[in-house]
Amino acid sequence: AQSVSQHNHHVILSEAASLELGCNYSYGGTVNLFWYVQYPGQHLQLLLKYFSGDPLVKGIKGFEAEFIKSKFSFNLRKPSVQWSDTAEYFCAVSRTSGTYKYIFGTGTRLKVLA
Amino acid sequence: EAGVTQFPSHSVIEKGQTVTLRCDPISGHDNLYWYRRVMGKEIKFLLHFVKESKQDESGMPNNRFLAERTGGTYSTLKVQPAELEDSGVYFCASSQALGAVSYEQYFGPGTRLTVT
Repeated sequence: AQSVSQHNHHVILSEAASLELGCNYSYGGTVNLFWYVQYPGQHLQLLLKYFSGDPLVKGIKGFEAEFIKSKFSFNLRKPSVQWSDTAEYFCAVSRTSGTYKYIFGTGTRLKVLA
Repeated sequence: EAGVTQFPSHSVIEKGQTVTLRCDPISGHDNLYWYRRVMGKEIKFLLHFVKESKQDESGMPNNRFLAERTGGTYSTLKVQPAELEDSGVYFCASSQALGAVSYEQYFGPGTRLTVT
């Protein structure tokens, strides 16, 4: 069965620190990959997505992620975090055929200290 | 463009009662998904509609859950009778999909269900 692992459940950083959140998935076929963010009191919003092409994907608010097929990974990065990046981050995977339903990781709560 | 909306935002009911959650997808989105997050766990898929048809209901926990999407517009998810373990946040999402091309899903704010 497909599964998604997010290794860090809670991360605390100071402003301007660099961020990398890990995401690994288990599925041997072709996948679509997503990172979503949920700010406090808000709904899930798409940060970035990978469907095909350049494995380095840039998203909103300065976030980027790199798809490494050989490692089944799609890690999220940001060079310099801000207090406003405090949120919960979710990695999700879907197949490229069928229902396109998402398999989510457990989420990572990021707290950025001002 | 209006986003995905869900009603109610919160619901507190007693064990054994019935609750109906509603989701209005983005206009024109044929695909509608229901997910649930139990506290401390990952967001899990429940089911998927394409227009009014159930495409995949493999994630529905049991027959106490009934989802409908009459006319291919809004959807309801009924829990009857509710049990304590049904507590959690129920998310709805919608997406376009044209043939074999998939698109990202847009999520609603969720309904927080508490069963006491």
